Amino acid sequence: IAGITQAPTSQILAAGRRMTLRCTQDMRHNAMYWYRQDLGLGLRLIHYSNTAGTTGKGEVPDGYSVSRANTDDFPLTLASAVPSQTSVYFCASSDLAGDVDTQYFGPGTRLTVL
Amino acid sequence: GQNIDQPTEMTATEGAIVQINCTYQTSGFNGLFWYQQHAGEAPTFLSYNVLDGLEEKGRFSSFLSRSKGYSYLLLKELQMKDSASYLCAHMDSNYQLIWGAGTKLIIKP
Repeated sequence: IAGITQAPTSQILAAGRRMTLRCTQDMRHNAMYWYRQDLGLGLRLIHYSNTAGTTGKGEVPDGYSVSRANTDDFPLTLASAVPSQTSVYFCASSDLAGDVDTQYFGPGTRLTVL
Repeated sequence: GQNIDQPTEMTATEGAIVQINCTYQTSGFNGLFWYQQHAGEAPTFLSYNVLDGLEEKGRFSSFLSRSKGYSYLLLKELQMKDSASYLCAHMDSNYQLIWGAGTKLIIKP
């Protein structure tokens, strides 16, 4: 069982380019999340999805979009990348039906926008 | 508003005990989580408290006081592999996690 996988591991991107970060989980969790992590700041929620077919905005959604066509996949798209989107991006999932809504994280994508 | 604070960095000695504090302010509360994050890796779940008191799990224990908006993570018998960042997060009324910036724990021999 792989858990959560993310791709790519790292990427250098020119400003203005479009980029999709991929996230796949095989735990059949109903909820999935995208966070960014910047030095000196806590993890900040970008978008989330409580179940396939639905998405919601987190704390810092501007410049990002998501889709949740099925349970396993939750891609994050930067339509036109800007340098302030340089960050480490983590995807996470959780089973909202459980007693404890523990989030499990993927290995992260390190993105640099020049 | 919502706020969560924890020290930026702490140093401790191998074999000793260290307590990492976390304070939070929130209009709704659905639990307090602690995660460990080694440099360059993903956060991994350590503990969860929703009721007041101490939860013990091996060398790690976590305490919660909801009335004081306070939690701590206690690490005993420190090992070099415990060098990591420790992230405190509370779950708000919308069941979203609000994260602290993390405490970098440095273990010295």
